[in-house]
Amino acid sequence: QQQVKQSPQSLIVQKGGISIINCAYENTAFDYFPWYQQFPGKGPALLIAIRPDVSEKKEGRFTISFNKSAKQFSLHIMDSQPGDSATYFCAASWSGNQFYFGTGTSLTVIP
Amino acid sequence: DTAVSQTPKYLVTQMGNDKSIKCEQNLGHDTMYWYKQDSKKFLKIMFSYNNKELIINETVPNRFSPKSPDKAHLNLHINSLELGDSAVYFCASRETGTAISEQFFGPGTRLTVL
Repeated sequence: QQQVKQSPQSLIVQKGGISIINCAYENTAFDYFPWYQQFPGKGPALLIAIRPDVSEKKEGRFTISFNKSAKQFSLHIMDSQPGDSATYFCAASWSGNQFYFGTGTSLTVIP
Repeated sequence: DTAVSQTPKYLVTQMGNDKSIKCEQNLGHDTMYWYKQDSKKFLKIMFSYNNKELIINETVPNRFSPKSPDKAHLNLHINSLELGDSAVYFCASRETGTAISEQFFGPGTRLTVL
């Protein structure tokens, strides 16, 4: 059973546009929600993360929005750039012991 | 000064062979993981070790055996390789404690079974 559901599977955005990737989870015990960025041929790298006690976290052009009641969280990339083209994974964890990943979103930013 | 390193980067082998992938981290972390990423890029945890002790063992065929000689190393040995084992295998590490900390991933090992 997929613990974390992610959509869309792929996304094409014009340079300067906003990229939005959504995730949903079922297990209310999850208490840590990171987003990872993966470039071809590389391992995933942490981009930004949020705990459920806040509804939004922003780091530069990247923002996580968190809706605890709906059990959903999303990644917003403002002013998307071609260098943002990568695969993005959401994940969820409880107490940081085991991480469950979404199925990934392949983002392409067109110049 | 690579944080998490894996060897080899590529591994091509025949069905039925036995192979090993090595992982080392120089971050001083106490927990290490192995993940499998399939052709659709789905990342699934396989094992987790904390201070050389196995703490997570997902439903993985017993042909896969992790070994942790010390807390900086977590190797993965695979017996009787099958076509379905073809994937990219990632090692990761993190420091456990009172605050949740970031996982650092290695560059991956692409295993191809012919």
